[in-house]
Amino acid sequence: AQSVTQPDIHITVSEGASLELRCNYSYGATPYLFWYVQSPGQGLQLLLKYFSGDTLVQGIKGFEAEFKRSQSSFNLRKPSVHWSDAAEYFCAVARSGGSYIPTFGRGTSLIVHP
Amino acid sequence: EAGVAQSPRYKIIEKRQSVAFWCNPISGHATLYWYQQILGQGPKLLIQFQNNGVVDDSQLPKDRFSAERLKGVDSTLKIQPAKLEDSAVYLCASSLGGEVYNEQFFGPGTRLTVL
Repeated sequence: AQSVTQPDIHITVSEGASLELRCNYSYGATPYLFWYVQSPGQGLQLLLKYFSGDTLVQGIKGFEAEFKRSQSSFNLRKPSVHWSDAAEYFCAVARSGGSYIPTFGRGTSLIVHP
Repeated sequence: EAGVAQSPRYKIIEKRQSVAFWCNPISGHATLYWYQQILGQGPKLLIQFQNNGVVDDSQLPKDRFSAERLKGVDSTLKIQPAKLEDSAVYLCASSLGGEVYNEQFFGPGTRLTVL
């Protein structure tokens, strides 16, 4: 069975600083990987996804993520954080093939200081 | 384009009571999902529908939870009777199809508090 670890419960950054949120997965084959953002009182919104090909994936809102098979990681990055990026971020993994049954990490709460 | 609608947004009940949540997916979306998100955790899939058929309900506690999507459009999730540990946000999502390349669109959720 697949699993996801987000080791950081909270991350605090200053506005304008760079950001990296960590995600490690466990799955026997090449997984499908996702990052979602959840603002307070809102549903989840897909930021980006990786299925295959180029290991550096560009998403919405200036986010990117890099798939590193050797490290079983899919870290999310943004070069310059805006106050509106404060939210909960979830990494998810789904097994390749078959229907889409995602497994989510517990989330990382991003706090942005002015 | 209207998003996924859920109601109610908030519900407070006492344990052993019953509760129902409603979801109206994006028009034309064949696949509908219900997730449970306990505070401090990521969402956990409870059930997946393809039109009005169940694709996966392996994580649905069937002794107390039930869900239906009778006409293949909107859906209802019911808990009867509720337990304290059912306190969570219940998220509904929909997608064009169940394949992984079809993006899931999430509703705002229903926050359930069981006292």
